Amino acid sequence: SQELEQSPQSLIVQEGKNLTINCTSSKTLYGLYWYKQKYGEGLIFLMMLQKGGEEKSHEKITAKLDEKKQQSSLHITASQPSHAGIYLCGADRTSGTYKYIFGTGTRLKVLA
Amino acid sequence: NAGVTQTPKFRILKIGQSMTLQCTQDMNHNYMYWYRQDPGMGLKLIYYSVGAGITDKGEVPNGYNVSRSTTEDFPLRLELAAPSQTSVYFCASSYRDRFQPQHFGDGTRLSIL
Repeated sequence: SQELEQSPQSLIVQEGKNLTINCTSSKTLYGLYWYKQKYGEGLIFLMMLQKGGEEKSHEKITAKLDEKKQQSSLHITASQPSHAGIYLCGADRTSGTYKYIFGTGTRLKVLA
Repeated sequence: NAGVTQTPKFRILKIGQSMTLQCTQDMNHNYMYWYRQDPGMGLKLIYYSVGAGITDKGEVPNGYNVSRSTTEDFPLRLELAAPSQTSVYFCASSYRDRFQPQHFGDGTRLSIL
C-alpha cells in the first residue's frame, strides 16, 4: 500500500536558520499537500503540488515536488518562532477506496 | 467565516460509555472525513462520506459509527468507549475527493478512563 514517510521526525532550529522537511512516497504522487498544525489546533493548508518539478512559495516557505513525483520538500528560509508547529504532508492515493493519506508529521521548534 | 466546526473540544469518558462527536461545515462541501491522530502516528481515516446519505469505512472504522443526513453535518458516534479510543479526533471536508485540499476543524481531545 502507498505510504508517506516524513523526515526528520522532529527539528529544533535557532531563529533565523533555514531548514528543510522531506516527504517521500513509495509510489508516484498525483497530488501532494503540505499542512501546518499548531499545537492543540487543526491542520491549516499551506500548498498543493501536482506536476513533476513544480515549486511553490508563500512568504518564507517553499515547497517542491521532484521530477519523478515521489519526493517533496518543504523549505523554510530565515525561520521565526511563528513557524513552530507540526508539518504534515498528505497525498492523493493512486488506488484504494479512499483517496487520501498523510505522513506522520515533523515537529518543528524554533528557538528565539 | 466558520469553516469546519467540531464540538466538544475536550471530553473525558468512562469505559463503556457512549458519545457523539459533532461536526458541521458551512462550505457546501460534498466530501467529509473523520480522522484520529495518535501521538507520532499521523492521521488515520475512520470514516468518510461523499454526500448526504452516503458513508463508507476508512482505515480504522472499528468501534465507530457515522451518519450523514445533511450536507452540513457528519457526526461520529462511539458506542462502547474503550481506552484504545483515547485520541484527538479531527473532522475535515473538501469539495472533491482528489486534487483539493481538505479543510479541518480544531479537533476533539477525547480521553477514555
